[in-house]
Amino acid sequence: GQQVMQIPQYQHVQEGEDFTTYCNSSTTLSNIQWYKQRPGGHPVFLIQLVKSGEVKKQKRLTFQFGEAKKNSSLHITATQTTDVGTYFCAGIPTGANNLFFGTGTRLTVIP
Amino acid sequence: EADIYQTPRYLVIGTGKKITLECSQTMGHDKMYWYQQDPGMELHLIHYSYGVNSTEKGDLSSESTVSRIRTEHFPLTLESARPSHTSQYLCASSETANYGYTFGSGTRLTVV
Repeated sequence: GQQVMQIPQYQHVQEGEDFTTYCNSSTTLSNIQWYKQRPGGHPVFLIQLVKSGEVKKQKRLTFQFGEAKKNSSLHITATQTTDVGTYFCAGIPTGANNLFFGTGTRLTVIP
Repeated sequence: EADIYQTPRYLVIGTGKKITLECSQTMGHDKMYWYQQDPGMELHLIHYSYGVNSTEKGDLSSESTVSRIRTEHFPLTLESARPSHTSQYLCASSETANYGYTFGSGTRLTVV
């Protein structure tokens, strides 16, 4: 069954507003990765987090890995129309070899 | 820049036909993967390979088969296409299982 869940499934924001998507796993993860998929496109790797409690930033994007290594979040400050797309988290459960993708959060930015 | 290539980009085919979706990468990655994704939905792993002559089935039951005779090439074959196979098929590769995946542009398959 599904091991990595994301909320919300959809999010509409006004341009300039902040956005956050949350990723939750039923098991401990050895790492967490984040991908962005533009409408009609393919997933593009954004970042990987490995350490418990790790926080990384990429310009307006802030990524966090939970202390228990079972959850993660992506926060976008002051969204722009170029941020439109579906954001997927993906993690490798401890002891497993393959990446499990989350259910995704589709972000719409209203100009 | 795309270092992993999928062909065809779009394919419309009749029920019962045999098709092969091509995937090639120039990065020398040992690990390659095939995912199935319906529009706007999550990705489901259908096959993966950790190197030449190594192939495994993924989490989603699939009637497709794969082969890995060369490091750079990982084709996926459907022996008899059905309308239920209509979907987008994404190929990916990675340096190791713990590295970010590089995805191809995908093949959008429609079986009529």
